[in-house]
Amino acid sequence: DADVTQTPRNRITKTGKRIMLECSQTKGHDRMYWYRQDPGLGLRLIYYSFDVKDINKGEISDGYSVSRQAQAKFSLSLESAIPNQTALYFCATSDPLGTEAFFGQGTRLTVV
Amino acid sequence: GESVGLHLPTLSVQEGDNSIINCAYSNSASDYFIWYKQESGKGPQFIIDIRSNMDKRQGQRVTVLLNKTVKHLSLQIAATQPGDSAVYFCAENLSGNTPLVFGKGTRLSVIA
Repeated sequence: DADVTQTPRNRITKTGKRIMLECSQTKGHDRMYWYRQDPGLGLRLIYYSFDVKDINKGEISDGYSVSRQAQAKFSLSLESAIPNQTALYFCATSDPLGTEAFFGQGTRLTVV
Repeated sequence: GESVGLHLPTLSVQEGDNSIINCAYSNSASDYFIWYKQESGKGPQFIIDIRSNMDKRQGQRVTVLLNKTVKHLSLQIAATQPGDSAVYFCAENLSGNTPLVFGKGTRLSVIA
């Protein structure tokens, strides 16, 4: 089984719809992250959480929200999806020192 | 804000040759650096890391060099193989309380 599991793997949604991307991890780590990947722009941090009661905005948090339901679960929501949120989204978890991050397989989201 | 960047967006090498992928970072306070490999359709995977108190670290067929004077990081892959074809990202960590900052990535293409 994968250490970090993202669902769904692919999703097409319409402009204005609310959508949730889910992530769960079996590493037992406290730290979890959501990144967005666009061609030529690398990985950009959306939100991160260092424990269940901790939520922090990243570089590009506008238009997104997150929920840390448990140590193992960190979900990303798009309240009202827009076409420029079309991207590949990655969830990750890391050890307490915040060093090596383990990534999920990604969710390809298309907003039409 | 601080950023991590790459000098070359694409790199093509002959199979069997050595590859060198470069990365520039801007924050002299960063104390930990990681190289990730991302194959098509997959999430980034850890390759090798180095701490700021080191200049060089070797793994299996890979070597990471850190030049703190010019804030430059490189990944050397010996005897490049077709399976090395991927996008490579460098990432930096400012401290244990901050998330990883990723560079834009370099696509390595291995020519058989």
